[in-house]
Amino acid sequence: DTGVSQNPRHKITKRGQNVTFRCDPISEHNRLYWYRQTLGQGPEFLTYFQNEAQLEKSRLLSDRFSAERPKGSFSTLEIQRTEQGDSAMYLCASSRLEAQFKNIQYFGAGTRLSVL
Amino acid sequence: GQQLNQSPQSMFIQEGEDVSMNCTSSSIFNTWLWYKQEPGEGPVLLIALYKAGELTSNGRLTAQFGITRKDSFLNISASIPSDVGIYFCAAGINKFYFGSGTKLNVKP
Repeated sequence: DTGVSQNPRHKITKRGQNVTFRCDPISEHNRLYWYRQTLGQGPEFLTYFQNEAQLEKSRLLSDRFSAERPKGSFSTLEIQRTEQGDSAMYLCASSRLEAQFKNIQYFGAGTRLSVL
Repeated sequence: GQQLNQSPQSMFIQEGEDVSMNCTSSSIFNTWLWYKQEPGEGPVLLIALYKAGELTSNGRLTAQFGITRKDSFLNISASIPSDVGIYFCAAGINKFYFGSGTKLNVKP
């Protein structure tokens, strides 16, 4: 299967600890996105990369959050000094911008974070 | 931030019935996407729409991109139990805004 892969699927951590999630996009997709989803809500945009360049970050992405895509392939999302409010599903999506406006995003299964 | 208004919030229907849900926005968008999400999984793309007025089908699913570019609807015909899930609309170009979802329950 060559879909978007996210690891780990679940992460339980104590408040104040750092966590890191990984996303492997569909091969040849040059764009990679991170979203956060809380219970009963739709995904909320956090940030996106085109190749290795981080092009946009949401105001939701506080200083404790950092994302990287060093070689334009996989990406990591790190949360430092986790807080209980960080508990959510973190979703990764990738796309290949084929033409103007044709930007179809395919999602991974997500990483569910629980901060105790 | 930007919000999409998705309705209804939930639906309880009998197997075989048709379903309709819609999304509206105060802003114009150039792409509308419809996804289905099941518990513990990521959203799965159902239909993508790129042009105002476009009507696209995927099996029993039909979606339309509104003429004003501020709305879209999704219809499911002859629902079956495996249609159960949460359906999300999304709109944007680079980043996407999502609706809050329509939870569909189908009674056999």
